[in-house]
Amino acid sequence: DAGVIQSPRHEVTEMGQEVTLRCKPISGHNSLFWYRQTMMRGLELLIYFNNNVPIDDSGMPEDRFSAKMPNASFSTLKIQPSEPRDSAVYFCASSQGAVLADTQYFGPGTRLTVL
Amino acid sequence: TQLLEQSPQFLSIQEGENLTVYCNSSSVFSSLQWYRQEPGEGPVLLVTVVTGGEVKKLKRLTFQFGDARKDSSLHITAAQPGDTGLYLCAGFKAAGNKLTFGGGTRVLVKP
Repeated sequence: DAGVIQSPRHEVTEMGQEVTLRCKPISGHNSLFWYRQTMMRGLELLIYFNNNVPIDDSGMPEDRFSAKMPNASFSTLKIQPSEPRDSAVYFCASSQGAVLADTQYFGPGTRLTVL
Repeated sequence: TQLLEQSPQFLSIQEGENLTVYCNSSSVFSSLQWYRQEPGEGPVLLVTVVTGGEVKKLKRLTFQFGDARKDSSLHITAAQPGDTGLYLCAGFKAAGNKLTFGGGTRVLVKP
């Protein structure tokens, strides 16, 4: 079975450009999570959806970040405009349940570099 | 200040040695999870501990949840190079449905 799929795996862009990260969760999973990982701050939850509805976006850094889940099999995380401090590895994860303690399956991540 | 403090931050040992990684907090958690993350990949859940004092074993890995449900440890016996990776703990609070990750311990097992 396919796991969580993320694209692109690597993204290099210049400051001010728009960046869109994509995620396909595991089929049948009801919750989807976006995380950011940096050396300084570790793994942080940005936002999560349950049944395509955003439940908690308190981790989204600022208005430059937005996330959508138009259907059960696709989600995007957009940064506009991007800044060098956004450089990080962004992970998407999915789970069957609605509780954050349910087993989450992580994708391979997108390594974003903003120059 | 991190809600969950992991120690040490980095550990380098020889194959066959034992190691222990700690995850500490001043907060009480409903449950605690341990993940292993290999380079270039996402974290993979190893175990969830729920009851204070609980001990779980996964082959050569032993996980313990503190009696007060504020801390946890991961002990690896006879470490192998395949155990190399970043070990993350994550504490869950049912009230508020919050999951918080520790900063991680990077383990290197040299052959």
